[in-house]
Amino acid sequence: DAGVIQSPRHEVTEMGQEVTLRCKPISGHDYLFWYRQTMMRGLELLIYFNNNVPIDDSGMPEDRFSAKMPNASFSTLKIQPSEPRDSAVYFCASSLGILSNYGYTFGSGTRLTVV
Amino acid sequence: GEDVEQSLFLSVREGDSSVINCTYTDSSSTYLYWYKQEPGAGLQLLTYIFSNMDMKQDQRLTVLLNKKDKHLSLRIADTQTGDSAIYFCAEKGGGSQGNLIFGKGTKLSVKP
Repeated sequence: DAGVIQSPRHEVTEMGQEVTLRCKPISGHDYLFWYRQTMMRGLELLIYFNNNVPIDDSGMPEDRFSAKMPNASFSTLKIQPSEPRDSAVYFCASSLGILSNYGYTFGSGTRLTVV
Repeated sequence: GEDVEQSLFLSVREGDSSVINCTYTDSSSTYLYWYKQEPGAGLQLLTYIFSNMDMKQDQRLTVLLNKKDKHLSLRIADTQTGDSAIYFCAEKGGGSQGNLIFGKGTKLSVKP
C-alpha cells in the first residue's frame, strides 16, 4: 500500500481564493482525520469521518472550512475564502477501527501559504 | 477535558540516552502512543503501549507508563543524530469514538 496520499504537497494562494486539499486514505481504513499543524497551536484535529460519515467537526475553525468524503477512498478539505491565518500544514490520517494498536497513518501533509 | 502535556525542547549529545516525558488526563485511555515527525514529513507511529502495561521495550526504545500519575515516558538509548525530530505523545480520547489527542510535541536535538 502506498500509504495515505495527500495532494498538493505545497499550495500558495492569494487571500480570498478557494483552496481544496485532497486525501486518499489507506484502502480498508474506516476512519479518516484532518489535522492542521502550526507553530503556535501545534496539531489540531479539524474533523473526522467514520465510514464516510462526519462524526465530529467541532474543530473546524469557521464556516469558511468544509470537508467532504464522497466515498471510502477520497476526501477533500476546502477553504473558501482563504485568509493568511489559514497558512499551516494540513495533514490527513486514516486508521482501522477504534481500538487499534496501530494508531493512525499520516500523509505527508499539504503546506498551505496564503499571501 | 482531555489534555496531553509535553515539554517543548530536549537537547542531548550523540550516544547519550534521551528521555521524553508526557502527562495525560484521561484515565480511561486504552492505548498511548509515541509518534515521530521528521522535518517536512508527516507523523510516523514509533511505538504504543496498552494501558494495562507498565513498560514496553522495542530495540532502542523503552516506554514507561505510570497510570497512577498519568505519566508516560519514551527513552531512546544510544541517541543518534538521525533521531533528531519532534516526538508527539498521544492518548486515545474517551468515549466510543477513536480520535487521538496529541501533545504539542517535544523537539529533540542531538548534538554530535
